Amino acid sequence: EAGVVQSPRYKIIEKKQPVAFWCNPISGHNTLYWYLQNLGQGPELLIRYENEEAVDDSQLPKDRFSAERLKGVDSTLKIQPAELGDSAVYLCASSSGQGNTGELFFGEGSRLTVL
Amino acid sequence: AQSVTQPDIHITVSEGASLELRCNYSYGATPYLFWYVQSPGQGLQLLLKYFSGDTLVQGIKGFEAEFKRSQSSFNLRKPSVHWSDAAEYFCAVGALNAGNNRKLIWGLGTSLAVNP
Repeated sequence: EAGVVQSPRYKIIEKKQPVAFWCNPISGHNTLYWYLQNLGQGPELLIRYENEEAVDDSQLPKDRFSAERLKGVDSTLKIQPAELGDSAVYLCASSSGQGNTGELFFGEGSRLTVL
Repeated sequence: AQSVTQPDIHITVSEGASLELRCNYSYGATPYLFWYVQSPGQGLQLLLKYFSGDTLVQGIKGFEAEFKRSQSSFNLRKPSVHWSDAAEYFCAVGALNAGNNRKLIWGLGTSLAVNP
């Protein structure tokens, strides 16, 4: 079974430029998450989708961040314009929701460097 | 308030030595508990989980963890550490939110270094 796939793995951009990250969750997983992870820190939830609906986006900085999951499968996270402080790893995770356990399956992450 | 505490920010052990990483949680109901590992430049991989039943759970890579309700702890152990175990380890609690969905609350992580 294929895991959560993210791209690109690495991205270097100059500040004020836009950037987008893509995620394909595990097949059949209806719930998709985007997390932010700063160096030496734990993951911080940005947004959670149930199918195509964003059910928790309270931590998403909506002035510059946006996300979509149009068909309820893969998802894109966009930053426009990027700031120096956005340099971090962006993690995508998915879950089946079975048993409502909270168990997550993560992709390898997209490391963003803003110069 | 719901929280997870990993008291040790950084631990160094010698290869072959035993390991225990501490995790304490604050949660009013029966917790769903997880340990994840993150190798350098990688995503998070589930090591083991506890939902109910036997309080000593076995995971991948020779790790185990013990749930102690009286101490609100879920410590991770390994009898003999390998150099490849050097990584960041995260403890998490699955807590129910207002919508009755379970959301992970994360500790800040423990960085493990292994000396040859």
